[in-house]
Amino acid sequence: DAGVIQSPRHEVTEMGQEVTLRCKPISGHDYLFWYRQTMMRGLELLIYFNNNVPIDDSGMPEDRFSAKMPNASFSTLKIQPSEPRDSAVYFCASSFGRFYNEQFFGPGTRLTVL
Amino acid sequence: AQKVTQAQTEISVVEKEDVTLDCVYETRDTTYYLFWYKQPPSGELVFLIRRNSFDEQNEISGRYSWNFQKSTSSFNFTITASQVVDSAVYFCALSVVNNNDMRFGAGTRLTVKP
Repeated sequence: DAGVIQSPRHEVTEMGQEVTLRCKPISGHDYLFWYRQTMMRGLELLIYFNNNVPIDDSGMPEDRFSAKMPNASFSTLKIQPSEPRDSAVYFCASSFGRFYNEQFFGPGTRLTVL
Repeated sequence: AQKVTQAQTEISVVEKEDVTLDCVYETRDTTYYLFWYKQPPSGELVFLIRRNSFDEQNEISGRYSWNFQKSTSSFNFTITASQVVDSAVYFCALSVVNNNDMRFGAGTRLTVKP
């Protein structure tokens, strides 16, 4: 398997623009996680899905953030409108069977909002 | 509330030295899992180990070993005979089963010099 795939790898945008990050989990995995990594706050869980259903989005910082998983092989994290403080590396991860099982991480998307 | 503390922000050693990375966790729950992940310069987090709260046996995998002590709420990671390829940021994480929460420590940046 190719592992978790994220696109784009780098995104530079201007404040106020909409940003969409994409993730393809490992085939067969039923859990999908979105994380954000910053120097100030470290690695934070934003939201996770089980069988394409959002289970807990309590980590989503505010209403400007939304995530969807229309099918088992695709998820998006959208920021609208983006702000400079959203600049971070966003990771997608997937796992199989249980929330607390080993998670496989994608390479991340480095987002810069100017 | 759950919390993971990695007090060592950065560690620098010379190749072949042994090094221990500390991890202290906080939770009131009795059923939880502890993890270590490695983040090499490429950026992608790589799973190293998972331990459940009912299994305090230490584990050894090649040059890596882990010491889990519930009495001190610690889950320390030792690399024996370190190598330059061990240079990375290492994260300790806690997942509490009851609330499906995943908390990462701030990470320890390990630099192994030749």
